[in-house]
Amino acid sequence: GAGVSQSPSNKVTEKGKDVELRCDPISGHTALYWYRQSLGQGLEFLIYFQGNSAPDKSGLPSDRFSAERTGGSVSTLTIQRTQQEDSAVYLCASSPGDLETQYFGPGTRLLVL
Amino acid sequence: GDSVTQMEGPVTLSEEAFLTINCTYTATGYPSLFWYVQYPGEGLQLLLKATKADDKGSNKGFEATYRKETTSFHLEKGSVQVSDSAVYFCALSSNSGYALNFGKGTSLLVTP
Repeated sequence: GAGVSQSPSNKVTEKGKDVELRCDPISGHTALYWYRQSLGQGLEFLIYFQGNSAPDKSGLPSDRFSAERTGGSVSTLTIQRTQQEDSAVYLCASSPGDLETQYFGPGTRLLVL
Repeated sequence: GDSVTQMEGPVTLSEEAFLTINCTYTATGYPSLFWYVQYPGEGLQLLLKATKADDKGSNKGFEATYRKETTSFHLEKGSVQVSDSAVYFCALSSNSGYALNFGKGTSLLVTP
């Protein structure tokens, strides 16, 4: 079946602009996760959704980062007033339920100039 | 807090050589352990997992055994192929949290 999809695959933006990254999880998966992969920091957890609620936002690096999930499906990660240090690959994953295997999307490569 | 330490790369091997990538962890409770692989230009794929002590995960000729006494989950393959060239990530999922904690990744290059 279809895996996790993310869009756009690549995004180039100017410092100070807002960006939105989209994630479509595997159909029927109730849990959704966002991670960031950067050269200096490796893979970092950002936020977790169970259904439409986010019980764990502990990884969001600043208040410029926010995320929402609607209809228990699609999720959007928004970065406001982007900074150069936000440049990274943003990965989305989903799992059938809590504490189950996470399946990753191909990622969105964000470059902030 | 929970953490994963894996050997730094890059690791370069000749085809058909034996592979070991070391991974050790620190966690409270009884975490699940994973190896993910990222092939060039692709996303993260689950390679194998183990959910309790002494479990052995295996896939595509790769194996790893959950060793609670040494808090380790080393990845092994008896005979690597050029197509195994990728970055390998060890990760854990604690039973009290949701996030995966990843190691820094180990780059493997297999030459013909």
